[in-house]
Amino acid sequence: AQTVTQSQPEMSVQEAETVTLSCTYDTSESDYYLFWYKQPPSRQMILVIRQEAYKQQNATENRFSVNFQKAAKSFSLKISDSQLGDAAMYFCAYRNPGPFGANSKLTFGKGITLSVRP
Amino acid sequence: DVKVTQSSRYLVKRTGEKVFLECVQDMDHENMFWYRQDPGLGLRLIYFSYDVKMKEKGDIPEGYSVSREKKERFSLILESASTNQTSMYLCASSPLRPLGPLHFGNGTRLTVT
Repeated sequence: AQTVTQSQPEMSVQEAETVTLSCTYDTSESDYYLFWYKQPPSRQMILVIRQEAYKQQNATENRFSVNFQKAAKSFSLKISDSQLGDAAMYFCAYRNPGPFGANSKLTFGKGITLSVRP
Repeated sequence: DVKVTQSSRYLVKRTGEKVFLECVQDMDHENMFWYRQDPGLGLRLIYFSYDVKMKEKGDIPEGYSVSREKKERFSLILESASTNQTSMYLCASSPLRPLGPLHFGNGTRLTVT
């Protein structure tokens, strides 16, 4: 079974600075998807960024980018120019490529709480 | 935008009660999921469904059942609520193709006393 590990329960960053959130995963598959979700106090899970394992290029979405190291099974999220609105819980998640049944589910890490200091 | 609606934001029930958590999505998605979120444990999958009347157990199905009579609606049932089922429950949906991320509802915080 696939596992996702987020070893840091909490992190803090100064506003306008850069912060990196770590995630590692374990799988025997060669093709899969990785995601970072954000959960603010409103509880709505928001997709931040996604990465397909077959793509070597790291995904970016505005101030958010990932460092995807397939061989090391590492998928870290970098937030640049941190803003107060970035304060939230962040979850790393893994998904197999198949659309059916067990392959359609996401496996989540335990999450990391990010605080942003003004 | 995809909208996933959970019927209750907060719910308080007594031990032994039968509890229904309802989830409706408006994007004709085939896949629907129920997750449970607890501090320090992240999100854990309870049940999921990839078609009407189809269901599969997730990682922690004990004490729960589900119903999917219509494509847009996926219900989570606690047959006899217990205090250890006090938690945040999140419903999600996704299309069969193209494969992509899950879209989540706002969650139901259930307290069992």
